[in-house]
Amino acid sequence: GENVEQHPSTLSVQEGDSAVIKCTYSDSASNYFPWYKQELGKGPQLIIDIRSNVGEKKDQRIAVTLNKTAKHFSLHITETQPEDSAVYFCAATLGDMRFGAGTRLTVKP
Amino acid sequence: NAGVTQTPKFRVLKTGQSMTLLCAQDMNHEYMYWYRQDPGMGLRLIHYSVGEGTTAKGEVPDGYNVSRLKKQNFLLGLESAAPSQTSVYFCASTGYGLPGYEQYFGPGTRLTVT
Repeated sequence: GENVEQHPSTLSVQEGDSAVIKCTYSDSASNYFPWYKQELGKGPQLIIDIRSNVGEKKDQRIAVTLNKTAKHFSLHITETQPEDSAVYFCAATLGDMRFGAGTRLTVKP
Repeated sequence: NAGVTQTPKFRVLKTGQSMTLLCAQDMNHEYMYWYRQDPGMGLRLIHYSVGEGTTAKGEVPDGYNVSRLKKQNFLLGLESAAPSQTSVYFCASTGYGLPGYEQYFGPGTRLTVT
């Protein structure tokens, strides 16, 4: 089955800096790559997603890039704010959804 | 519109006890999922359902059973709890099972087995 690796496991940035989280997947047939944000005590919530026929997608301060050849995709958050502090999960979908282990992002004011 | 709700929010069980976790959604979604979340391992799919009366195994189904008697409800059962089942359990639903559709998650149930 699909295997998703996510790095780094923890990330600390200063407010206003950019944050980048990277994921690799193993099955080249995977075709949908969502990113979820999980705040403390809550369930994950979708923040952005990308399909395999698209290389990049942007939504305000958040962007996702996909390199199908290398089988990796990344989440980019610009101008980080304290409210961006959370755990972020990537996932790759081939039938069911396989998640990465998560990245705990801390944005220091 | 409450979205996806889960009961209970917290539970402590002794080894060997049984319990049922309830998931309910009011979005008329066909597909429902049960995940467990463990530190450093992300979310792993336990069982899922593609419609009322159907269930299927996910990545880590052993020790769990599920039922989908009504479209809006998806139950996860532990027949004989083990300490390895200590985890946070999340239910999710989506209108379509094909890749490319957002899964909506509940708030989670924290289960401790002693």
